[in-house]
Amino acid sequence: NAGVTQTPKFQVLKTGQSMTLQCAQDMNHNSMYWYRQDPGMGLRLIYYSASEGTTDKGEVPNGYNVSRLNKREFSLRLESAAPSQTSVYFCASSAQITDTQYFGPGTRLTVL
Amino acid sequence: KNQVEQSPQSLIILEGKNCTLQCNYTVSPFSNLRWYKQDTGRGPVSLTIMTFSENTKSNGRYTATLDADTKQSSLHITASQLSDSASYICVVSPYTGTASKLTFGTGTRLQVTL
Repeated sequence: NAGVTQTPKFQVLKTGQSMTLQCAQDMNHNSMYWYRQDPGMGLRLIYYSASEGTTDKGEVPNGYNVSRLNKREFSLRLESAAPSQTSVYFCASSAQITDTQYFGPGTRLTVL
Repeated sequence: KNQVEQSPQSLIILEGKNCTLQCNYTVSPFSNLRWYKQDTGRGPVSLTIMTFSENTKSNGRYTATLDADTKQSSLHITASQLSDSASYICVVSPYTGTASKLTFGTGTRLQVTL
């Protein structure tokens, strides 16, 4: 039982490049989330998926897109990376939208 | 705007000592409050969750208290260990039960030394 896994762990991009962050959970959870964490700021929600087949914007969705591929997987895509997107990205999941969230280990992204 | 403020920003204590971390929030109406522990380079892990009707909740050496009237919560760590070195994050959920409305504090960074 791996919980929530994320790939890659580290990534360096140049401005304008695109990439997809992958997330998978093996807890049969319905809800999944993408957050970013920046120094001096609390975790901020980018997008979430309350259940398979639905996605909704969070607090800071600009510059990102998501796909809920199936119940297990939720990916985050940066179409044209900008230095302001340098951050640590966390994926999380929960049984239902109101339940405790379980976080992955994070992806540290640097955009030059 | 809903806010969660934590204090102190950072704290250094000797192994074996107790400490208390504070969380003040303005979220209203209020559903529940969670404390998470985040080790360096790892994702947050849930420690406790309290609804508005609960005053205290324990998880081993961690005890969280909640005063919904004053909108304050504290996390008390007893007999600290080196493994308690981490950031502790307070998260408040409004009554709507919507993920997009969760408000995260910036955390208190605790360092436990010998």
